[in-house]
Amino acid sequence: NAGVTQTPKFQVLKTGQSMTLQCAQDMNHNSMYWYRQDPGMGLRLIYYSASEGTTDKGEVPNGYNVSRLNKREFSLRLESAAPSQTSVYFCASSEVWTSENTGELFFGEGSRLTVL
Amino acid sequence: QKEVEQNSGPLSVPEGAIASLNCTYSDRGSQSFFWYRQYSGKSPELIMFIYSNGDKEDGRFTAQLNKASQYVSLLIRDSQPSDSATYLCAVLSGTYKYIFGTGTRLKVLA
Repeated sequence: NAGVTQTPKFQVLKTGQSMTLQCAQDMNHNSMYWYRQDPGMGLRLIYYSASEGTTDKGEVPNGYNVSRLNKREFSLRLESAAPSQTSVYFCASSEVWTSENTGELFFGEGSRLTVL
Repeated sequence: QKEVEQNSGPLSVPEGAIASLNCTYSDRGSQSFFWYRQYSGKSPELIMFIYSNGDKEDGRFTAQLNKASQYVSLLIRDSQPSDSATYLCAVLSGTYKYIFGTGTRLKVLA
């Protein structure tokens, strides 16, 4: 069982280049998320998608765009990469928390991006 | 004030001791609380969740929640070197807003 799959795992970009991080989940979750993790900053939410067809900004959305392609897939695009976007990016998915459901976030393995 | 606060550590404990990790949060409406473990270079993995006041035990792990004090803790009994990792506290504030602390680095000394 794959869970949450992210690609690529590593990428080096030059300032101004664009790229898309891909994420897919096979757990039939409605909600998907993109986080970035920087030393001393913890996990910060970039964008999330509560359900197919919807996307919303998180804490640090500037410089990013997202697409919820279908229920399984949620991509993150950097249109013009900047050195400040050097980070580790995690995709996650979950079901909505209820008394019968933990609402746990399931994470992908991460994508390490370096912008020169 | 940060929404979820943790001491960054490192917290060093000898093998076999109890490790106590703490977390405070600011949103009184928060519903559910999570502890994730993250090894260096890996993704976070859930080890405990709690949503009712009191204690919840799972093996060597106990999560404690006090909503009145806005405080969540994680106790690890009989700490092992393999428990050495960063522990992230996460709070669900609203339906989709998961807020993470910056994590506490735990070192278990053999």
